[in-house]
Parts: sequence; C-alpha cells; structure tokens
Amino acid sequence: EAQVTQNPRYLITVTGKKLTVTCSQNMNHEYMSWYRQDPGLGLRQIYYSMNVEVTDKGDVPEGYKVSRKEKRNFPLILESPSPNQTSLYFCASSLRLGGRADTQYFGPGTRLTVL
Amino acid sequence: GDSVTQMEGPVTLSEEAFLTINCTYTATGYPSLFWYVQYPGEGLQLLLKATKADDKGSNKGFEATYRKETTSFHLEKGSVQVSDSAVYFCALGAGFGAGTRLTVKP
Repeated sequence: EAQVTQNPRYLITVTGKKLTVTCSQNMNHEYMSWYRQDPGLGLRQIYYSMNVEVTDKGDVPEGYKVSRKEKRNFPLILESPSPNQTSLYFCASSLRLGGRADTQYFGPGTRLTVL
Repeated sequence: GDSVTQMEGPVTLSEEAFLTINCTYTATGYPSLFWYVQYPGEGLQLLLKATKADDKGSNKGFEATYRKETTSFHLEKGSVQVSDSAVYFCALGAGFGAGTRLTVKP
C-alpha cells in the first residue's frame, strides 16, 4: 500500500531534550516536506527537500533541522525543543514538483507537546 | 509569492444542505489548485484538484472551478451528508488556507 508513515504519533517531552520525528514514504517520490498545523493558522511549511541531499527552508524553519540521506526518509530534528514548538506535525511527499503541480500525500501526523 | 485565503469557519449545516467554502488565491504563473480534506485524527488527503484555468475538479459530489478572472477556487457540494464532517483546506503549492471546519447535523 502506498503511504507516508510517521513515528511517533504522539510525543510528550521537556524543554531542551533533543528529539527526532521520522518520516518514510514508499512511493519513490522525489519531493518531501514537513508542515506544522496550529489552530487558526492552517499548515505552515517548515522544510522541504527536492531530492536526496537537497533541502531548503520553508516558512517557519527556526528551531528545526532536517536531512535527506535516502530518497524514502526525511526525519525532522528538534535539537532543543521549546514550548512554542508544541504542535501537530505532518510529513508529506509528492512525485516531483511539490505542491505547485503535484498532489501531496500526507502522513497521519505527530502530535508533539513540549513542557 | 503564492498564497491562498480561505473562508474560515466553523460551518454548521443540516444534512442535505448546500455547501460553499470560499477560496481565493494569489499566484505567479499557472499553478494547480487543490482542496484537501482532514477527517478527525487523520492526515490530509486530496479531495480534488484543477490544473489550469476553467478546469473543474470533482470528487464525492464536491466540485470546484479554477477561475482565473476572479482568482477563486470555491468548493461546493449540493447536498452534504453527516459523513462530510471534516476540516477542508484550500492549497496552492506549499501554501494552505487556515482550514474550514464543517459539521453536518442529521
């Protein structure tokens, strides 16, 4: 089954404790992206990747890191989480061109709480 | 840059009522436009898309027409069902509207 998977689905952590949210897709998509969803703000892009070893900042990259060492995986890293990063996070992938032309496929989401 | 402005909600309707959710866009060139739907506890999934001006996207009774003259992509459905209760997002590129929560009551 074609899908985007994220882990963990739920995470409660404390300020400053490094964490990684994994994302994997099995559709051989070139484009992958991370979003955060906050009430009243919709989805905002954190980082995106056009292909392996190519990553770029989205609209709200501060406090986040990503890497794209393999085509299928695109982990999101919070080196020193803070309470304002409490949010619902979505990973998405698309075939090649990103959301401007291609349909994006979303993971189920990771609900992060930073105390 | 690319952006969308979406009518916010929440919207509450009775079953079989007519639905319209407004979406307008700003874009350079001719990008595709999308409506995504998010059911409770799930990720977003594509509802419909249109790839060029005057295209009509449709799925599950929902429709939206890509109108260049009014820079709009409004979502419509003639008769909503309880199962349509969800959050709807208009999207262009990496830009998403704020989402409209629809609740349909029996």
